[in-house]
This record gives sequence, structure tokens and C-alpha cells, in this order.
Amino acid sequence: GEDVEQSLFLSVREGDSSVINCTYTDSSSTYLYWYKQEPGAGLQLLTYIFSNMDMKQDQRLTVLLNKKDKHLSLRIADTQTGDSAIYFCAEIITSGTYKYIFGTGTRLKVLA
Amino acid sequence: DGGITQSPKYLFRKEGQNVTLSCEQNLNHDAMYWYRQDPGQGLRLIYYSQIVNDFQKGDIAEGYSVSREKKESFPLTVTSAQKNPTAFYLCASADRGSSGANVLTFGAGSRLTVL
Repeated sequence: GEDVEQSLFLSVREGDSSVINCTYTDSSSTYLYWYKQEPGAGLQLLTYIFSNMDMKQDQRLTVLLNKKDKHLSLRIADTQTGDSAIYFCAEIITSGTYKYIFGTGTRLKVLA
Repeated sequence: DGGITQSPKYLFRKEGQNVTLSCEQNLNHDAMYWYRQDPGQGLRLIYYSQIVNDFQKGDIAEGYSVSREKKESFPLTVTSAQKNPTAFYLCASADRGSSGANVLTFGAGSRLTVL
């Protein structure tokens, strides 16, 4: 079935790099996404990657996609306390209809 | 500015009452979605609509109802049949353009508490 998995928690020190991992199941997904959610707020798109790409870099964010292993990762360089939030990965299912499947979210805590 | 507006942000309901959560978008998006968020469970899809006057059940539709009479609006009614309605509800929309990344844009959410 459709499933996206993430680890629940990650703790890093300010200035270090954070790596958040995600595995997904639908190999036909055309796009994969990373969203950030701050307390009590909606989800904010951070970045996305097209399925024929291996890597995408956007300022402090680097997305790596291993399509063979269905593994997606988000690296945040020079992590700041303002990066503390929940991070969700998501895939889009386009066969028949458009549905987005979200992971459980990874809560990132940045220690000063 | 284009975006999605959800209201109310906080809502309290007594058991046995129906409540309706509003979701309005001015992004001219065809598709709209309702998700429920519970701690540690991520987002679960309640209902979605690909086009006006059409909608489909998601994974947890029981106890909920929706309508899509206008492109801009996709209200969600939480009925008394929903056994555990206390949650954070998120509305989202997406463009169905074939050349785009189909990015899902979210509202700020509505927190429903049943007393």
C-alpha cells in the first residue's frame, strides 16, 4: 500500500548539519516534497524534487533522492534554532487521481 | 496576496453537535483537500476534490461531509457521528497544471476541541 515513513525525532546542536530521512513506497511518484510545520501553524513548502533528479540544492537545503531504494533525505546546513519544527516528506500519487501521502513527520530540536 | 484562509482558527463543540470548518482559496486552484492531524500520526486525508461539484472520500471520511459548489470554497462539516473529532484540521489546494510541480499549499489550520 501507500506509505511514507520517517523517524519521529532528531536533535542537533546549533551550527551542525541536520539530516532528515524518509522512505516512500510508490515508485511512480513524479514529485517528492519537504514541508516544515511550526507549532500551531499550517505546513509550509520548503522544497521539492522531480523524480528524475538525484539531488537538488537550495541555499542551506540539500535534497537527495535514491529512487532505487525509494529513499529521500533533507540536509539542513548550519542548523539554527529557528529551524526547530516538524518536517514532513510527501509523495504525490497521480495514477487515476491526485493524492498526496505524507510521512508522520520528524520533530527537529536544535540545541543552542 | 493569494492564499488559503481557514476559519475559525479555534472552535469548541459540545458532543452531539455538527460544526462546519470554512476553507477559501484565491489561488484559482482546481483541487482542494482536507487533512486531519493528530500528534505523532502525521496527516490523514479526509476528503478531496479535483474539480467543482465533485469530491472523493479519503482514508478517514467517516463522520465527515464536504461540498464543492464553488471553485474557491471547500467547507468541511464534522458531524456528531465522528467519534473522536478533537484534532487539528488542515485545508490545502493544488494546481492541476500538467507542467507544474503540483505543489500543495496549506491554510493555517483550525483546531477543534470537543468538550
